[in-house]
Amino acid sequence: ETGVTQSPTHLIKTRGQQVTLRCSSQSGHNTVSWYQQALGQGPQFIFQYYREEENGRGNFPPRFSGLQFPNYSSELNVNALELDDSALYLCASSLVGSGIGSPLHFGNGTRLTVT
Amino acid sequence: GIQVEQSPPDLILQEGANSTLRCNFSDSVNNLQWFHQNPWGQLINLFYIPSGTKQNGRLSATTVATERYSLLYISSSQTTDSGVYFCAVEGNSGYSTLTFGKGTMLLVSP
Repeated sequence: ETGVTQSPTHLIKTRGQQVTLRCSSQSGHNTVSWYQQALGQGPQFIFQYYREEENGRGNFPPRFSGLQFPNYSSELNVNALELDDSALYLCASSLVGSGIGSPLHFGNGTRLTVT
Repeated sequence: GIQVEQSPPDLILQEGANSTLRCNFSDSVNNLQWFHQNPWGQLINLFYIPSGTKQNGRLSATTVATERYSLLYISSSQTTDSGVYFCAVEGNSGYSTLTFGKGTMLLVSP
């Protein structure tokens, strides 16, 4: 069973730039969620993708956008980067629609630093 | 939205001691998970436990859904148990999304 993988592991960007983070879901999972974890805080839900469509969104501005591909992998795009976007970005996958509860499994994250 | 409170915020133990971490939540939940985040940021799934009791080695967890709390027990703690422990719940929004507590930071000293 292949777990959730994220790339890159670390990234440094300049304020105003754009960034794309990537995630491959765990095999057998059909749903991908993205979370932002600022230093010293718990992860905060950004959005979730199911069947290639956004299926729920947290309190994040539209410059945070995403995609899910037919193979269930996903991208998180952030435009017009701000210093406060510096955080650990976590991707999680799960199986929705199986009729039973499905735990979320997280990748190791991408640590983004905006200077 | 659903609120999740964890206690204590910080805990220092000597190796071999036992501990109990608590998670209170404000509404009924479809899912509750306990995670351990190591110093490198890796978030490891410990338990998926919307109700009942589970055990895995030195760790066990109990969720009393009707009273809206969950407990994580760590017995005979080891230095490798150090890190932040998060409780996260999924409410009844229809999406499998988790709301996290602020975590309990555990330091186990030799």
